[in-house]
Amino acid sequence: AQKITQTQPGMFVQEKEAVTLDCTYDTSDPSYGLFWYKQPSSGEMIFLIYQGSYDQQNATEGRYSLNFQKARKSANLVISASQLGDSAMYFCAMSYDQTGANNLFFGTGTRLTVIP
Amino acid sequence: KAGVTQTPRYLIKTRGQQVTLSCSPISGHRSVSWYQQTPGQGLQFLFEYFSETQRNKGNFPGRFSGRQFSNSRSEMNVSTLELGDSALYLCASSLAKRELGNEQFFGPGTRLTVL
Repeated sequence: AQKITQTQPGMFVQEKEAVTLDCTYDTSDPSYGLFWYKQPSSGEMIFLIYQGSYDQQNATEGRYSLNFQKARKSANLVISASQLGDSAMYFCAMSYDQTGANNLFFGTGTRLTVIP
Repeated sequence: KAGVTQTPRYLIKTRGQQVTLSCSPISGHRSVSWYQQTPGQGLQFLFEYFSETQRNKGNFPGRFSGRQFSNSRSEMNVSTLELGDSALYLCASSLAKRELGNEQFFGPGTRLTVL
């Protein structure tokens, strides 16, 4: 069975510092996609970054980068130069060919708090 | 371009009642997915609709159903409400692509409380 694990329930980071949020996954499907979403207190899920299982390079989107280590089955999110507005819940998610591209499996999330 | 809208934003019902939630996708998006978010179970996929047909379904009882209209708007219905149905229900729309990198855009959610 496919599984997403986020082992950090909460993280603190000083403003302007970088932070890494961990995500590991388990699947036997060779074709999968990895996503990171941000959920502010308002509840809306905001897409941050995507990495495909066959992508050779790590994905980057502005201050967000995904540290993809396929052999270790990890897809950690790195946020550089943290801002106060980055305080939110962060979810790692996967989709698989077998279960459909629009069926996302989510981890339990990490609550990030940025300290001024 | 307007985002995904969900109505109502908040809802209070009692056990045994039924409820209908609505989702209007981004213009041009034909796929609508529904998710349930609870503190205990986290985020779980309910189902996906495309072209008025259910394309994918999660592991939820038959009390949870949905439909999609010709304008891609979708409704979700929960019958015979239970206390455990209290949750934030999120709707996500996307282009019809079935590619793994297909980005889903989420609405603000409907927070359902069952008393």
